[in-house]
Amino acid sequence: SQTIHQWPATLVQPVGSPLSLECTVEGTSNPNLYWYRQAAGRGLQLLFYSVGIGQISSEVPQNLSASRPQDRQFILSSKKLLLSDSGFYLCAWSGVDRGLAGWLAGEETQYFGPGTRLLVL
Amino acid sequence: KQEVTQIPAALSVPEGENLVLNCSFTDSAIYNLQWFRQDPGKGLTSLLLIQSSQREQTSGRLNASLDKSSGRSTLYIAASQPGDSATYLCAVGYYGGATNKLIFGTGTLLAVQP
Repeated sequence: SQTIHQWPATLVQPVGSPLSLECTVEGTSNPNLYWYRQAAGRGLQLLFYSVGIGQISSEVPQNLSASRPQDRQFILSSKKLLLSDSGFYLCAWSGVDRGLAGWLAGEETQYFGPGTRLLVL
Repeated sequence: KQEVTQIPAALSVPEGENLVLNCSFTDSAIYNLQWFRQDPGKGLTSLLLIQSSQREQTSGRLNASLDKSSGRSTLYIAASQPGDSATYLCAVGYYGGATNKLIFGTGTLLAVQP
């Protein structure tokens, strides 16, 4: 079965410090990978997604960047954190286990990791 | 602009009651729609996925319906239990080229009183 890991679980960082959050998926290959942020009192917002190694698409302009150095590894980074970067960061994957036919039919489900709570002070 | 709204924002019911959570979306050209559950401080658990060609999906005590033309989905929970207490999120998927982009509502916080 597939599992998704995120670490760290909690992080407290000063403003201006760098950031690296990691997400890994097990039990599947060539997944689509996603980073979301859930800010206090707001809904989840898609930040980045990746359909393959080295392929990153950004959904909103921001202080963050993402990278996918390996097939099942997705990293969220920042060179200098802002107070507004605080939030709950969730990684997700969607599978190709159903094959192209399933994906075309709208069967693609996204599965989420446990999240990283980031507090920037 | 693609927006997803969930009503009510919070709901408290006694144990055993049947309840309905509502989700509405502005762009009806959807790829699919997912309902998730989120426990405090935790990630999301997928409950049901409805493809754009479907009208409903059922899993145990949960039933989700989809009406694309009116831009609405409902999640029906039968015989609610205290363990159902959580935030329920509706996410509408739109075709994004090589992937499915989810637009989330802000959720309904459900409390089931024993």
